[in-house]
Amino acid sequence: AQKITQTQPGMFVQEKEAVTLDCTYDTSDPSYGLFWYKQPSSGEMIFLIYQGSYDQQNATEGRYSLNFQKARKSANLVISASQLGDSAMYFCAMREPYNQGGKLIFGQGTELSVKP
Amino acid sequence: DTEVTQTPKHLVMGMTNKKSLKCEQHMGHRAMYWYKQKAKKPPELMFVYSYEKLSINESVPSRFSPECPNSSLLNLHLHALQPEDSALYLCASSQDWVQPQHFGDGTRLSIL
Repeated sequence: AQKITQTQPGMFVQEKEAVTLDCTYDTSDPSYGLFWYKQPSSGEMIFLIYQGSYDQQNATEGRYSLNFQKARKSANLVISASQLGDSAMYFCAMREPYNQGGKLIFGQGTELSVKP
Repeated sequence: DTEVTQTPKHLVMGMTNKKSLKCEQHMGHRAMYWYKQKAKKPPELMFVYSYEKLSINESVPSRFSPECPNSSLLNLHLHALQPEDSALYLCASSQDWVQPQHFGDGTRLSIL
């Protein structure tokens, strides 16, 4: 069965510094997708970045990049130049194979606080 | 503003009431989802609709009844809910099962 692990319940970072949020996963399927979502206190889940298991390059979207290390089964999110608005809960998620329902499996989340 | 619109944003109801949550998207997505989320926890999948047909029901109690009237709309009918059903209910949609899911702002539901 697929599993996502986020080991950092909470993290602090100084404004304008970079921060790495950890995510490890476990799957025996060769085809999978990894996602990161941001959830501010207002509640909406905001899609940030996606990495496919066959993608050769690490995904990047503006200040967000995904440090994908396939052999270590890790997909860490790197946020560069942190801003106060980055304070939120961050969820890593993996998509199950289609023949198992294709559902998103979420990690427990990391609460990031950006200090001025 | 999200491209998935959920109404109402807040709902307070008694245990004997009947109410409905509504979700709408106009991105042409063919898969739509309902999630339940408790505070500080990840979302839990409840239902998946694919091409307007229910494809996944995660053993959700029958007091929650989903409905997909057309490809743009998804409803969640609520009846005889319990206090433990108080949560944030999120709707999401995606082009297909591979593409990222896009979420609405959610409905904060409180059961008295």
